[in-house]
Amino acid sequence: NAGVTQTPKFRVLKTGQSMTLLCAQDMNHEYMYWYRQDPGMGLRLIHYSVGEGTTAKGEVPDGYNVSRLKKQNFLLGLESAAPSQTSVYFCASSYSSTTSYEQYFGPGTRLTVT
Amino acid sequence: EDKVVQSPLSLVVHEGDTVTLNCSYEVTNFRSLLWYKQEKKAPTFLFMLTSSGIEKKSGRLSSILDKKELFSILNITATQTGDSAIYLCAVEAVDSNYQLIWGAGTKLIIKP
Repeated sequence: NAGVTQTPKFRVLKTGQSMTLLCAQDMNHEYMYWYRQDPGMGLRLIHYSVGEGTTAKGEVPDGYNVSRLKKQNFLLGLESAAPSQTSVYFCASSYSSTTSYEQYFGPGTRLTVT
Repeated sequence: EDKVVQSPLSLVVHEGDTVTLNCSYEVTNFRSLLWYKQEKKAPTFLFMLTSSGIEKKSGRLSSILDKKELFSILNITATQTGDSAIYLCAVEAVDSNYQLIWGAGTKLIIKP
């Protein structure tokens, strides 16, 4: 099993450009998440999905959109990139459960917006 | 507002030392607390704690939760250079739709 994979690993964008980050998981997880990680701020949730065809906003959703057309894939889009979106982006997935759980993370995408 | 605070933010020790990392939280309707280790890339899961006073242990790492005082500690004994990493604490609340509230992390550096 590959677990959680992300593409691309690195990207440099100019202000105003758009791009899509792809997350894929092969563990049949219901839940998927997009985080950004900035120095000294831990992980902040951008958007998440509780199942195919559903998405919801997290803590910092502005400037991002997501789609979950297939259970195994979760896409994060930046419509008009801004320097404030320079960050490391992590995708994660987990089982749905009424008890506590763990999240499995992808390797991250380092995005620089100039 | 729910929050998770980790301390110290950074720590430098020598190989063989024992370290204790702290995580305190203020969360409505607490369900669980999780510890992750982040080396160069993705965070990897260490422990999940739901009950007070029950120590979770894995090799030289152990963790315990105090739900009365609202904190958890992560202990690492006989540290090795491979323990150098950022240690993240996260808390899950009931009815949070499985969202985690993350602390900023403790950056641990082990010197040979």
